[in-house]
Formats: sequence, structure tokens, C-alpha cells
Amino acid sequence: GAVVSQHPSWVICKSGTSVKIECRSLDFQATTMFWYRQFPKQSLMLMATSNEGSKATYEQGVEKDKFLINHASLTLSTLTVTSAHPEDSSFYICSAAEDPGQPQHFGDGTRLSIL
Amino acid sequence: AQSVTQLGSHVSVSEGALVLLRCNYSSSVPPYLFWYVQYPNQGLQLLLKYTSAATLVKGINGFEAEFKKSETSFHLTKPSAHMSDAAEYFCAVSETGANNLFFGTGTRLTVIP
Repeated sequence: GAVVSQHPSWVICKSGTSVKIECRSLDFQATTMFWYRQFPKQSLMLMATSNEGSKATYEQGVEKDKFLINHASLTLSTLTVTSAHPEDSSFYICSAAEDPGQPQHFGDGTRLSIL
Repeated sequence: AQSVTQLGSHVSVSEGALVLLRCNYSSSVPPYLFWYVQYPNQGLQLLLKYTSAATLVKGINGFEAEFKKSETSFHLTKPSAHMSDAAEYFCAVSETGANNLFFGTGTRLTVIP
């Protein structure tokens, strides 16, 4: 149980394009979803927390206009990297929790490479 | 403020040997503590969690961790390493439950045949 699916797993695109990453909770309803960014050989850095039906809460230093987060349903959250540039290349990981305070279940991540 | 320090970015053990991955935390309130494992190009899988119940926590795959308040530590151990244990391990702390996780920098475990 508690499976989180993240899609795509790998994406390569040209600089200036926008990329959407989906995060789905397959067998549970997630009131809260989280988006992390992980640089090579480094830890996960929380980018934002989203609650279903409300605006995401972004961590300090994360551009909300650059990283658009939508949590329109209890099973789906999307992260859109707008006008992506090479410095946005990274491993993005989402997680989902049934309720605030419940353990987070992680997706398998999306490796984003911007040329 | 909460933080996590993982001593040793890389640990190597022989197959069958004891695994010890160190984690020290800082928290202004009784913490919630977690260990996660990450295999290459994958997300994180929860190994175990401490939520103020028993100080010795047993997790999946034969791992366990002991919460020591006096030492502010939550070290991860496994009596006998298996080749499949080779991965990156992250310790995390939260003051509010499972939200607002602060991760350590990770420890890469290598198992030598």
C-alpha cells in the first residue's frame, strides 16, 4: 500500500521550455503533498508543501512563479518548471501524506535535464 | 530550530558485517525521527520512524535504530550487511510529525563481497 507514482521519470528538454511533472497517490488520498529538489550527492531540499484545494506554501528562496504547483485533487499534484534553464536541471522528488503528520510516501523522482 | 548531522558521507562494510550509520539531531522540542533509504534514481523508502514510543525502533529489512536523548542520537544499525543494502541512507527530523522533514546530507553505504 501507500504507493506514489511520479511521471515522467526522466525528461530532457531545451532551455526556455516548460516542463510538467505529475505526482499521484495510487491507493490513498493525499491531503498534503511535498516537492523536493535533490542535487547530485546531496540531500533533499523541500521546495514547497501543497494541500489539496489551496495554494502551495513555498520555502524561502524558491520562486513560486518559476515552480508552479497545483494540487487540484486528493490524488494528484503537479509541478511545472516554467521557462526552464540549465540551472534548473536536478532530481525532483514528490511525496504524499494522507493527513498532516502522517508519514510521507515518496515517488521515484524525476530527473530533469535542460539543454 | 531543527537539524540533522550524519557523520560519514560514505561507509563501507563487508557482507555479513555490522552496519552502523550515525545520525545526531538538534531539536527544540521532542523530535520525530526517521531513516529513509534511497536506491539509485529512485525516491525514498521509509525504513523506520521514532515517535516517542519505544526508544528502540525496528524497521524493515532487518534495520533498527535507537533513540538516545542524552546523546541526541538516532543511529541506524543492522547486524549483518547484505549486498542489497548498498544504497544512500538519509536521517530526517521533524518537530511537528511527518511534515516539515529536515534531512541529513546522507550516507552512502557500500557492501563489499
